[in-house]
Amino acid sequence: RKEVEQDPGPFNVPEGATVAFNCTYSNSASQSFFWYRQDCRKEPKLLMSVYSSGNEDGRFTAQLNRASQYISLLIRDSKLSDSATYLCVVNPRSTPLVFGKGTRLSVIA
Amino acid sequence: DAGVTQSPTHLIKTRGQQVTLRCSPKSGHDTVSWYQQALGQGPQFIFQYYEEEERQRGNFPDRFSGHQFPNYSSELNVNALLLGDSALYLCASSLQGVPAYEQYFGPGTRLTVT
Repeated sequence: RKEVEQDPGPFNVPEGATVAFNCTYSNSASQSFFWYRQDCRKEPKLLMSVYSSGNEDGRFTAQLNRASQYISLLIRDSKLSDSATYLCVVNPRSTPLVFGKGTRLSVIA
Repeated sequence: DAGVTQSPTHLIKTRGQQVTLRCSPKSGHDTVSWYQQALGQGPQFIFQYYEEEERQRGNFPDRFSGHQFPNYSSELNVNALLLGDSALYLCASSLQGVPAYEQYFGPGTRLTVT
């Protein structure tokens, strides 16, 4: 089983749609969780951290369920500029970041 | 303030050759990590350098080696290149001791092995 698994995608959605990405992780000792965004042929950039209490940043909401080892990202009112690959990232204790394969999102006008 | 820089931007090599990729960390950072991102995959951790020593290593063969210089810049060397080494190689810099997510990625070097 891979350490971090994500929806395969791609997701093609119209502008204004709500889209949800899911991610599961296998290492129950993992302590920190993140979503990164990667534009085509660019480096990944931190989008937001994920907490058990859930956290929101504008149109983006991230949620963590430790019992199910499940992470989600919800994007509301999708914009064309949201088109990118979204990487689920887990940080087990004292180890480097572990990235999922990423899910590609295309927002269509 | 320059961010993380990498050179070259693109590189084409032949199977069996050797390659050296370079990274300059963000000003003030002392730790450099290298990642390999194959097409359609997420970045995979290769190794991390701090105080000119390899501190952590991912699941990569000995063909992958590195170096960190006194000015904190770093090199990634790959020997006996295979077709499967074709990927985007990302360098990330940070300060030792900060959380792993507080690292800044460079734009990457795209390596093509033919």
